[in-house]
Amino acid sequence: DTAVSQTPKYLVTQMGNDKSIKCEQNLGHDTMYWYKQDSKKFLKIMFSYNNKELIINETVPNRFSPKSPDKAHLNLHINSLELGDSAVYFCASTGFSGNTIYFGEGSWLTVV
Amino acid sequence: AQTVTQSQPEMSVQEAETVTLSCTYDTSESDYYLFWYKQPPSRQMILVIRQEAYKQQNATENRFSVNFQKAAKSFSLKISDSQLGDAAMYFCAYRKRYGGSQGNLIFGKGTKLSVKP
Repeated sequence: DTAVSQTPKYLVTQMGNDKSIKCEQNLGHDTMYWYKQDSKKFLKIMFSYNNKELIINETVPNRFSPKSPDKAHLNLHINSLELGDSAVYFCASTGFSGNTIYFGEGSWLTVV
Repeated sequence: AQTVTQSQPEMSVQEAETVTLSCTYDTSESDYYLFWYKQPPSRQMILVIRQEAYKQQNATENRFSVNFQKAAKSFSLKISDSQLGDAAMYFCAYRKRYGGSQGNLIFGKGTKLSVKP
């Protein structure tokens, strides 16, 4: 019954690998986001999709590529992982009113 | 560009007492939302309270209330009767109000709240 679910929750991987984080929401929302929380706990928007269309694309290395197969899913693929990619990645979504943004539980990525 | 500033990196409160966390923001918009999110060590982001800028009345949720001063662009969070479970990182966030669901949250850097028994 989780509203916004992300998998995996924990991911430890080596530098240079490619990995994906998946996100699904069952709230019927039409906008989804990826946020990154760094080691200092600063939260910053990476991407946003509205009805499968990219609407926010912040200054993020092009090794990061979001994909939205439908409006309930927003996946994040990361190529050639670097140590600095270690962070907690949050998926979030909001509905038409936009008055509340719901977050997933976060995916802890550690690059070694 | 909109910015959110939390000037208190850390705060401490005695159990059962009251604490106020500060937040200021900068925007040229007149219609927006303001939020306080709680993040415990589990890192889950939990919405504590929301304020619509067009509403003059301060939002309240049980022990949590805000002091929204639109002209001063200030949005503080008051926690009454603090409990051990209130210990967490608290983030203030801003979101422009659009006609639909577009637009992202802009976060402050957070305030770490400790609660002493």
